[in-house]
Amino acid sequence: DAGVTQSPTHLIKTRGQQVTLRCSPKSGHDTVSWYQQALGQGPQFIFQYYEEEERQRGNFPDRFSGHQFPNYSSELNVNALLLGDSALYLCASSDGPNSNQPQHFGDGTRLSIL
Amino acid sequence: RKEVEQDPGPFNVPEGATVAFNCTYSNSASQSFFWYRQDCRKEPKLLMSVYSSGNEDGRFTAQLNRASQYISLLIRDSKLSDSATYLCVVNEDSGGGADGLTFGKGTHLIIQP
Repeated sequence: DAGVTQSPTHLIKTRGQQVTLRCSPKSGHDTVSWYQQALGQGPQFIFQYYEEEERQRGNFPDRFSGHQFPNYSSELNVNALLLGDSALYLCASSDGPNSNQPQHFGDGTRLSIL
Repeated sequence: RKEVEQDPGPFNVPEGATVAFNCTYSNSASQSFFWYRQDCRKEPKLLMSVYSSGNEDGRFTAQLNRASQYISLLIRDSKLSDSATYLCVVNEDSGGGADGLTFGKGTHLIIQP
């Protein structure tokens, strides 16, 4: 039973570039949420995808966008990268978008902006 | 604004001791509550959900007080392997589905031999 998988594990970019991060949900899960975790902070909610649509969004600018595919996998895209975008990006999946469903996290992608 | 507040610690506790963490949340519309554990440079892992009646899982006991808007986690007979950061997590539902998890900054626990 595969858990949540994310790729790549590490990534180095420079300011102004664009990045795409990928996530495959846990088997049987259809909802994917993305989080940004800066050093020493708790994860911050970016957005959630269900039925290939963005359902909810946190306080992140439009430079952050995403997509969900028919197989429930998801991508996070960040344009015009800033130094402050350096963080661990976590993908979490759940069985449906309801609030009482616990979310299971992948190992994350560590993004460094130079 | 949604806020979840935790004492960051660190809590230095001898092995075998009992330790308790508290967490407060600001949004009374919060629907679901969880404790996650995060090891250094690893992903958060679900420790337990928190139910209104309180719940226990082995050495771990979670309590929810909706009136005072706080959640607690009690760890009995602490083990060296319990050393980690414990994240208090709240999930809200504004009627259109979950609004995403709101995490506290975490409480750092160090179990000493």
